[in-house]
Amino acid sequence: QSALTQPASVSGSPGQSITISCTGTSSDVGDFNLVSWYQLHPGKAPKLMIYEVSKRPSGVSYRFSGSKSGNTASLTISGLRAEDEADYYCCSYAGGSTFVFGGGTKLTV
Amino acid sequence: QVQLQESGPGLVKPSQTLSLTCTVSGGSISRDEYYWSWIRQPPGKGLEWIGHIHHSGSTYYNPSLKSRGTISVETSKNQFFLKLSSVTAADTAVYHCGSLKNDAFDIWGQGTVVTVSS
Repeated sequence: QSALTQPASVSGSPGQSITISCTGTSSDVGDFNLVSWYQLHPGKAPKLMIYEVSKRPSGVSYRFSGSKSGNTASLTISGLRAEDEADYYCCSYAGGSTFVFGGGTKLTV
Repeated sequence: QVQLQESGPGLVKPSQTLSLTCTVSGGSISRDEYYWSWIRQPPGKGLEWIGHIHHSGSTYYNPSLKSRGTISVETSKNQFFLKLSSVTAADTAVYHCGSLKNDAFDIWGQGTVVTVSS
């Protein structure tokens, strides 16, 4: 069970859009539509932003969207705001009631 | 609104057992649609799923722990627990508890820092 692959960092200017990729294998991302994304701000509880590839929990901005193609999932943030600056992690169900996270991506706005 | 709070010793000696408690408030730990999870983040590294438990007692663990981990639940206290045996410096991390629903970790605790050092 290897960690999913994410870029170490991405950056964008306010108002722009960015996309964070999350690459797994045919045993996790590619096999299940069960990818979730989390936002981590220092000192705060992590926050679920996307689940089941593209669903947004109640209260999460429409600016956050998710998608998947093959073994790669993506998180897109549109209309970047300063408060979006954080670390983002993807996670996939990997079968057998197990889960695997990505290595994390630092977003700089 | 469900909230989770981790508690436990911040310092554990090598080879000893790490023991943490997660207290669930604002909702019952016995809801069938929820599992209760532990996730950790070593310094400078990414998140790692440790395992989760259902109130019925079913447990699932990350194989990388090599059977060192045990998760249990006490429904009468609305708490669940993590024990990690034979710890080393590699187990130093921020430990989060969280709720697992629809195969996503929807609510997290803020986390507690555990350092393994003599």
